[in-house]
Amino acid sequence: AQTVTQSQPEMSVQEAETVTLSCTYDTSESDYYLFWYKQPPSRQMILVIRQEAYKQQNATENRFSVNFQKAAKSFSLKISDSQLGDAAMYFCAYRSDRFSGGGADGLTFGKGTHLIIQP
Amino acid sequence: SAVISQKPSRDICQRGTSLTIQCQVDSQVTMMFWYRQQPGQSLTLIATANQGSEATYESGFVIDKFPISRPNLTFSTLTVSNMSPEDSSIYLCSVEDLRFRGNYGYTFGSGTRLTVV
Repeated sequence: AQTVTQSQPEMSVQEAETVTLSCTYDTSESDYYLFWYKQPPSRQMILVIRQEAYKQQNATENRFSVNFQKAAKSFSLKISDSQLGDAAMYFCAYRSDRFSGGGADGLTFGKGTHLIIQP
Repeated sequence: SAVISQKPSRDICQRGTSLTIQCQVDSQVTMMFWYRQQPGQSLTLIATANQGSEATYESGFVIDKFPISRPNLTFSTLTVSNMSPEDSSIYLCSVEDLRFRGNYGYTFGSGTRLTVV
């Protein structure tokens, strides 16, 4: 079974600064998807960014980018120019690629990192 | 992306009773997923619901406790049966969304906050 580890229960950053959230995962599969989700106090899960394992290029979405290191099984999220609205729980998640014979279709989540933005 | 309507948004229930949570999607989807998020914790997959077949449950979750219905491609229900205070959690439904930003992702309902007293 796959596991996802987020080693930082809480991170704090000054507004406008850059912060990096860590995520590592354990899998024996070669094809899979990785996601970062944001959950503000409203509890709505919001997809921040996605990475396909077969792609070497790191995904970017505006101020959000990832550092995907497949050999190291690492998938960190960098938030540039942090804004007050970025304050939330951030969850790293893994999904097997079913078309490659992977297992469960749902997501396996890490325990989350609580991101605090200091004004 | 897909839009999911999840009801109720919250409820307070007596122990020993059951609560049924509904999820309605604005488009047809093959699989729907149900997750539990215990207080201060991460999301854990309860089961995957395919239309026309029995739901597939993850380890630690059983059909007698969490029966699921999937009568069509846009709707599913999760029932939390014979509730105890340990069932107090947020329950979320989710669907695979092939229209998310032109690519693949998962969309979530807004969750049901359940408190069992």
